[in-house]
Amino acid sequence: GNSVTQMEGPVTLSEEAFLTINCTYTATGYPSLFWYVQYPGEGLQLLLKATKADDKGSNKGFEATYRKETTSFHLEKGSVQVSDSAVYFCALSDALMDSNYQLIWGAGTKLIIKP
Amino acid sequence: ETGVTQSPTHLIKTRGQQVTLRCSSQSGHNTVSWYQQALGQGPQFIFQYYREEENGRGNFPPRFSGLQFPNYSSELNVNALELDDSALYLCASSSVGGYTFGSGTRLTVV
Repeated sequence: GNSVTQMEGPVTLSEEAFLTINCTYTATGYPSLFWYVQYPGEGLQLLLKATKADDKGSNKGFEATYRKETTSFHLEKGSVQVSDSAVYFCALSDALMDSNYQLIWGAGTKLIIKP
Repeated sequence: ETGVTQSPTHLIKTRGQQVTLRCSSQSGHNTVSWYQQALGQGPQFIFQYYREEENGRGNFPPRFSGLQFPNYSSELNVNALELDDSALYLCASSSVGGYTFGSGTRLTVV
């Protein structure tokens, strides 16, 4: 079945460092790919998404490119801030009926940014 | 504001009891999904409702059941609670570009 694999955390970086969080997937068909972020004590917020191969999603300085040839959707940011500390989840869409879908999730990667 | 409200925020129940969790989403959002997130893990799909009918179900036993109402609210019911049911339960409703999640209900079974 479809699945998502993320790099294990925690990932600890200094402020202004470059960030990469790896995400690879296994899927039949052509899923959409997502990155969600979860701040402590909060729910999940959509960070960015891509719906087809070679699409680049971007938001708040984060970006990720849908790479079908390597089945990857790595999250990157050029200069992280302390406020980026959170848990990041990679997910893919899995079709249900009536054009709806469920999300299949990676285990999450905790990001810690030190001042 | 996310547009999806869940209640209660926290809940403690005893093994064997029953629990009802509630979710209220924005008007016009016809699809609601429920996910279980165990500590330190990614969410797991429980089920989805579309226009008040179950539209898909994950690998959860029948003691997990749900309802969706015409006013865009929904419920997750869990019978015969087990210790492993302790988790954060998340409700998500459809929105432009993806799903919008509530802040969740933290259920602890003792």
